[in-house]
Amino acid sequence: SQQGEEDPQALSIQEGENATMNCSYKTSINNLQWYRQNSGRGLVHLILIRSNEREKHSGRLRVTLDTSKKSSSLLITASRAADTASYFCATDGTQGGSEKLVFGKGTKLTVNP
Amino acid sequence: DAGVIQSPRHEVTEMGQEVTLRCKPISGHNSLFWYRQTMMRGLELLIYFNNNVPIDDSGMPEDRFSAKMPNASFSTLKIQPSEPRDSAVYFCASSFEVGRGYQPQHFGDGTRLSIL
Repeated sequence: SQQGEEDPQALSIQEGENATMNCSYKTSINNLQWYRQNSGRGLVHLILIRSNEREKHSGRLRVTLDTSKKSSSLLITASRAADTASYFCATDGTQGGSEKLVFGKGTKLTVNP
Repeated sequence: DAGVIQSPRHEVTEMGQEVTLRCKPISGHNSLFWYRQTMMRGLELLIYFNNNVPIDDSGMPEDRFSAKMPNASFSTLKIQPSEPRDSAVYFCASSFEVGRGYQPQHFGDGTRLSIL
């Protein structure tokens, strides 16, 4: 079953603008990860935020986590055409197995030059 | 460093045929995951191994699917007999796990499978 659900499903912006993608999940988590997938390629890990963290930065990426609302957001600042890809959140869940991640269906981001 | 290597990249075969997908994880990684990605269902975990032992195969759709990991550097996912609804992109990923999902997973570029 799907744990994370990204919103919006698709987002189209101009180069230089910021892109914000949201993820909601249902059960308690240990951590939440964001991945990027370019067309025809595998997923690439972007950033991991633990359940006791509220915000994390990596370059032009900013991730927030609100465990009370069971939601996370990924902000890409000063977007570039090369940021065009699908973005997925993944959660591990505190129940059940250890290394399992459950992925959402992703947000398809298009950055127009 | 070589990433996760999957073969073949594309496979087109007829219904009823046996299909074998292969994966070489990153050297030193102790966990390996097989996923299936479709437009309708997104990315689904089929099975994962830790230290070559299958830990959770609850995502394997049915008995036609089987996976093995004979050693730390090789895994196969087999579908026999294949059906058109098995058409999807199959990904292999690996990670070095020390606890509950605290490590990123590294994905191969997938095998695009088409069953006619």
